[in-house]
Amino acid sequence: GAGVSQTPSNKVTEKGKYVELRCDPISGHTALYWYRQSLGQGPEFLIYFQGTGAADDSGLPNDRFFAVRPEGSVSTLKIQRTERGDSAVYLCASSLTGGTGVEQYFGPGTRLTVT
Amino acid sequence: DQQVKQNSPSLSVQEGRISILNCDYTNSMFDYFLWYKKYPAEGPTFLISISSIKDKNEDGRFTVFLNKSAKHLSLHIVPSQPGDSAVYFCAASAGAQKLVFGQGTRLTINP
Repeated sequence: GAGVSQTPSNKVTEKGKYVELRCDPISGHTALYWYRQSLGQGPEFLIYFQGTGAADDSGLPNDRFFAVRPEGSVSTLKIQRTERGDSAVYLCASSLTGGTGVEQYFGPGTRLTVT
Repeated sequence: DQQVKQNSPSLSVQEGRISILNCDYTNSMFDYFLWYKKYPAEGPTFLISISSIKDKNEDGRFTVFLNKSAKHLSLHIVPSQPGDSAVYFCAASAGAQKLVFGQGTRLTINP
């Protein structure tokens, strides 16, 4: 079946602009996660959704970052007033349920470049 | 504060030999550990995991060992194959859904 998909695959934007990154999880997966991977580093947790609600947003770096999942399926990560330091690969993952020990399936990521 | 560390950025192994990737952690609350494999331009793919109540888990060519007293885990791949060449990430969770990842180790299997 289809895996996690993310669009766009690449996004180049100017400093100060607003961007939206989209994630389509595996059908039926109730849990959805956003991570950010900077060059030479491992993925870093941003936010976790269980259904429509953000169960843990402790990884969002500041209030310029916001994410929604209004119908409990597709999620959008929104970044306002982008800065060059926001440049990274943004990864989305989903799992059948939330909880420890449940495998997270990752999408290919969106590479964001802020010029 | 890097709670999960992979101190070797790269590793080169001869095909057919054993590959050993290492990972150290500092948070004693971690209760679940995972290894992910990543090819270029793809997302990480789950490989194998281990609960903190175990010290070994095996799946085919892949074995993960956990030493809780040393806060150390390792991934053994034997025999190594060219298709194993990828970046390997160690990850951990502490009774929660979010994963804390190490920096990754690039494994190259030489023919």
